[in-house]
Amino acid sequence: AQSVTQPDIHITVSEGASLELRCNYSYGATPYLFWYVQSPGQGLQLLLKYFSGDTLVQGIKGFEAEFKRSQSSFNLRKPSVHWSDAAEYFCAVGPKAAGNKLTFGGGTRVLVKP
Amino acid sequence: DAGVIQSPRHEVTEMGQEVTLRCKPISGHNSLFWYRQTMMRGLELLIYFNNNVPIDDSGMPEDRFSAKMPNASFSTLKIQPSEPRDSAVYFCASRDSREEPQHFGDGTRLSIL
Repeated sequence: AQSVTQPDIHITVSEGASLELRCNYSYGATPYLFWYVQSPGQGLQLLLKYFSGDTLVQGIKGFEAEFKRSQSSFNLRKPSVHWSDAAEYFCAVGPKAAGNKLTFGGGTRVLVKP
Repeated sequence: DAGVIQSPRHEVTEMGQEVTLRCKPISGHNSLFWYRQTMMRGLELLIYFNNNVPIDDSGMPEDRFSAKMPNASFSTLKIQPSEPRDSAVYFCASRDSREEPQHFGDGTRLSIL
């Protein structure tokens, strides 16, 4: 069965500092990988996705993620966080087969200190 | 383009009442997903449809929950009778092809008293 682990439940970072959110997955083949962000009271918004090709993926809002097959990881990074990046971040994995049923990690809540 | 539209945004009702949540997917999308989000269990997939046909309902918690998709532009999730433990945020998402990500609505916050 596929699974996603986000080891950090909460992360606090100072505005302007760099941010890295960890995501490890378990899946039998090369999956589709996603990062979503959820602001309070809102739905999930896609930050970026990995399907194939270049393992370093650029997304919206200055985020990037790197797929490392050997480590079964898909960590999310941002060089300099803004106060508006305070939110909850979800990593998700899905099969390449039709239907794309996603499995989500438990989420990481990011707090940004001024 | 309009995104996934869910209604109502908030619902407060008493235990035992029937609750109906509604979702309008993005036009042209042929897959629709219902999720439930709680603090204890995180984000759980309840059921999803491809071309209006239910494909996997293994996440539906029990017979009190039912979902329909009568056409490509509308889906409902019904709880009858509702219980306090059903209180959660329910999300609907849609997508249009194998390599497109799911797009989420803003959710319905359901409180069962």
